[in-house]
Amino acid sequence: GESVGLHLPTLSVQEGDNSIINCAYSNSASDYFIWYKQESGKGPQFIIDIRSNMDKRQGQRVTVLLNKTVKHLSLQIAATQPGDSAVYFCAEIPETSGSRLTFGEGTQLTVNP
Amino acid sequence: GAVVSQHPSRVICKSGTSVKIECRSLDFQATTMFWYRQFPKQSLMLMATSNEGSKATYEQGVEKDKFLINHASLTLSTLTVTSAHPEDSSFYICSASVPLAGGSDTQYFGPGTRLTVL
Repeated sequence: GESVGLHLPTLSVQEGDNSIINCAYSNSASDYFIWYKQESGKGPQFIIDIRSNMDKRQGQRVTVLLNKTVKHLSLQIAATQPGDSAVYFCAEIPETSGSRLTFGEGTQLTVNP
Repeated sequence: GAVVSQHPSRVICKSGTSVKIECRSLDFQATTMFWYRQFPKQSLMLMATSNEGSKATYEQGVEKDKFLINHASLTLSTLTVTSAHPEDSSFYICSASVPLAGGSDTQYFGPGTRLTVL
């Protein structure tokens, strides 16, 4: 399953499928990006990050892709599990902002057993 | 590592009272912490940047006299909502900045505090 961020803030997938969550960012000066997972009633949890000098980074079951040309970020989750159900936020840090994060609107991922 | 705690996790108060929320970095020192507010089904909104030993920097539209921030040590920042009203009811989340090798800082978040003002 795949989301398109602002236009589809919810994504529903079957357990075991791969999920793709998309994010469009606006500041071409951003040089650091983070994906966070937020479960209901909890604070955001760091998942994976990527710097602007990279276009791909892999973690455990997750991959982040960065396309600076079109200012697009995606999070791929392999073999999605029910425990992956949460809201996923992308965040960017512009080079000139110190460490201030700018969050995207978030995508609600629901994994159906 | 990089664990951030918040206390209390939930608080219910009467309109007009003040509420203090604590944010602690448990296994590291944080010169910079951030306070966010989040409404249901919305993204996080940055309220202010808390700097150890100096005044907080507030985002546009955030009343500094209403949301008092104190960052007295490298492991503790507090947010006090003064004269709380029902419209202040929200989920308040803090984060601590952790420097990364090669520049840029990342942020680790606390579990949040649910404030309900009656």
